Amino acid sequence: HSVLTQPPSMSAAPGQTVTISCSGSTANIGINHVSWYQHVPGTAPRLLIYDTDKRPSGIPDRFSGSKSVTSATLGITGLQTGDEADYYCGTWDNSLNDGVFGGGTTLTVL
Amino acid sequence: QVQLQESGPGLVKPSQTLSLSCSVSGDSISRGTSYWSWIRQRSGTGLELIAYIHYREGAFHSPSLKSRSFISLDMSKNQFSLRLNSVTAADTAMYYCARTSIAMTKITFENWGQGTRIVVSS
Repeated sequence: HSVLTQPPSMSAAPGQTVTISCSGSTANIGINHVSWYQHVPGTAPRLLIYDTDKRPSGIPDRFSGSKSVTSATLGITGLQTGDEADYYCGTWDNSLNDGVFGGGTTLTVL
Repeated sequence: QVQLQESGPGLVKPSQTLSLSCSVSGDSISRGTSYWSWIRQRSGTGLELIAYIHYREGAFHSPSLKSRSFISLDMSKNQFSLRLNSVTAADTAMYYCARTSIAMTKITFENWGQGTRIVVSS
């Protein structure tokens, strides 16, 4: 099982807002930055959010990241059908001394 | 724009050694700020960091695979590689290479390849 916990799936209608949670512990999210990745199967995963709340160049501001204590959240506003993908959170775990990821959330835009 | 492209055998027999390569274009693997990683995704599971390497700072191997994995750089080809020894069916996965940024309190996989599918089967 994954060190970080994400809901396996979520769905929402076009135009709506969705928040994807990523739950960790004091050894990982509690003390380290979080990154988020978007993966459409068959393509290269894409970095969406780094340093918990920063967007790389080219990522629309519909995507946002935040963190509270030992949980992180990815927010997506104005959902589009092109947002259908798997979303993963990732960070470093100081106890495991390893990079860790969530199990991924499959987002369906109905 | 950096691009990464994995290459691998597709099919490996149990107990053999898996060898993967990642060709990098648009960046130099000897650039001081970049690390280079291998990550895999087994069926039905999330992502798993295998190893990363920096041309000056050396290599890190994930504790879970440390005894079987070896990551290396080939600066003449601007490539980096992964060897995974004594593979079993549990190593069947999609393997990705990624340009990586690492600092205190953070690890970020900035750019990824499309992945190479590896099946371990006799």
